[in-house]
Amino acid sequence: NAGVTQTPKFQVLKTGQSMTLQCAQDMNHEYMSWYRQDPGMGLRLIHYSVGAGITDQGEVPNGYNVSRSTTEDFPLRLLSAAPSQTSVYFCASCWGAGGTYEQYFGPGTRLTVT
Amino acid sequence: AQSVTQLGSHVSVSEGALVLLRCNYSSSVPPYLFWYVQYPNQGLQLLLKYTTGATLVKGINGFEAEFKKSETSFHLTKPSAHMSDAAEYFCAVSLYTSGTYKYIFGTGTRLKVLA
Repeated sequence: NAGVTQTPKFQVLKTGQSMTLQCAQDMNHEYMSWYRQDPGMGLRLIHYSVGAGITDQGEVPNGYNVSRSTTEDFPLRLLSAAPSQTSVYFCASCWGAGGTYEQYFGPGTRLTVT
Repeated sequence: AQSVTQLGSHVSVSEGALVLLRCNYSSSVPPYLFWYVQYPNQGLQLLLKYTTGATLVKGINGFEAEFKKSETSFHLTKPSAHMSDAAEYFCAVSLYTSGTYKYIFGTGTRLKVLA
């Protein structure tokens, strides 16, 4: 199994550009999440999905959209990039139930917005 | 507010010394507790977790953590540090709130191991 894969690994955008960060998992997990990681702030949840067709907002959803058309894929879209969105983005899929679920993380996408 | 606090954003230990990384949570009910490790330029991976039962939990790479309800703590320890333990460590809780479980991560502790 490849686990959780993310593309691209690195990306530089200009302010106002849009792009999609790709995330895929081959573990048949229903629950998937997107986080951003910034120095001194830990991981903050952007959006999550509990299954195909179901998504919800996390702690910092503004400026981002998600969709979940299949169990495997959970892309994150930046609508109009801003320098404040410079960060490392991690996708995770979750295994387990009832709050005891374990998260499996992808390798991350390092995004710079100039 | 429900939260996770990791004391010390940076911790340095000598190779072979005890590793102690501190984590406290605030919650009106005992949460589920996790420690994750992040090696440079990688995603996070699970070290160990506490759900119910025995309060001393053993994880991978010789790490363990003890859930202490009276102290609302879940500190991570390893008897003898190895150079390969240098990484960033995140404590996390899973809390039931507003009809669903939510994961909250601490801000992380970067462990440096000195030769």
